[in-house]
Amino acid sequence: GQNIDQPTEMTATEGAIVQINCTYQTSGFNGLFWYQQHAGEAPTFLSYNVLDGLEEKGRFSSFLSRSKGYSYLLLKELQMKDSASYLCAVKDSNYQLIWGAGTKLIIKP
Amino acid sequence: GAVVSQHPSRVICKSGTSVKIECRSLDFQATTMFWYRQFPKQSLMLMATSNEGSKATYEQGVEKDKFLINHASLTLSTLTVTSAHPEDSSFYICSARDLSGHQPQHFGDGTRLSIL
Repeated sequence: GQNIDQPTEMTATEGAIVQINCTYQTSGFNGLFWYQQHAGEAPTFLSYNVLDGLEEKGRFSSFLSRSKGYSYLLLKELQMKDSASYLCAVKDSNYQLIWGAGTKLIIKP
Repeated sequence: GAVVSQHPSRVICKSGTSVKIECRSLDFQATTMFWYRQFPKQSLMLMATSNEGSKATYEQGVEKDKFLINHASLTLSTLTVTSAHPEDSSFYICSARDLSGHQPQHFGDGTRLSIL
């Protein structure tokens, strides 16, 4: 079956760095996405990786290793507004998005 | 960037009422739209995939007669929750994918449905 694993919850301190990991097992691979979802709101797109390596976008970076079925989202200079759930999703061979359950990130002052 | 508009944002109604939710892609054409449901503190659950001009594909366990989907144009899909009951109370979110299928899905703002 298809499976995406990410930690349920993480806690970090304002100003610090946090890495949220995602491992996946899917039927085919056509890209990996990270979304941010604040409580009570719809997800917003953060990043997209289809080739191995690191994609940097401001304070957020996303890494992909297709051979390992592994990705991480790196958040630097954490701010209180970064408290949210972070969803990892993989597009399979049918271009369907398979969603992880999300990682709730709690930022403490 | 690509924008998806979802309306209404919040609905409160009595049990037995049917509720229609609209999802529009504002600046791109979407042959495929997705309807999700999310209960509090749970992950997104795909309910159905809506294809323009054809019948929607429902996920296992989702009643197609209860959740009616119409995708009449390349920019509009509607979800109707028929004869809604309190257990249907949830956060419903639509998303749309452009014609190429290679771009990320863009989400509407969601509809919070509360059935009394």
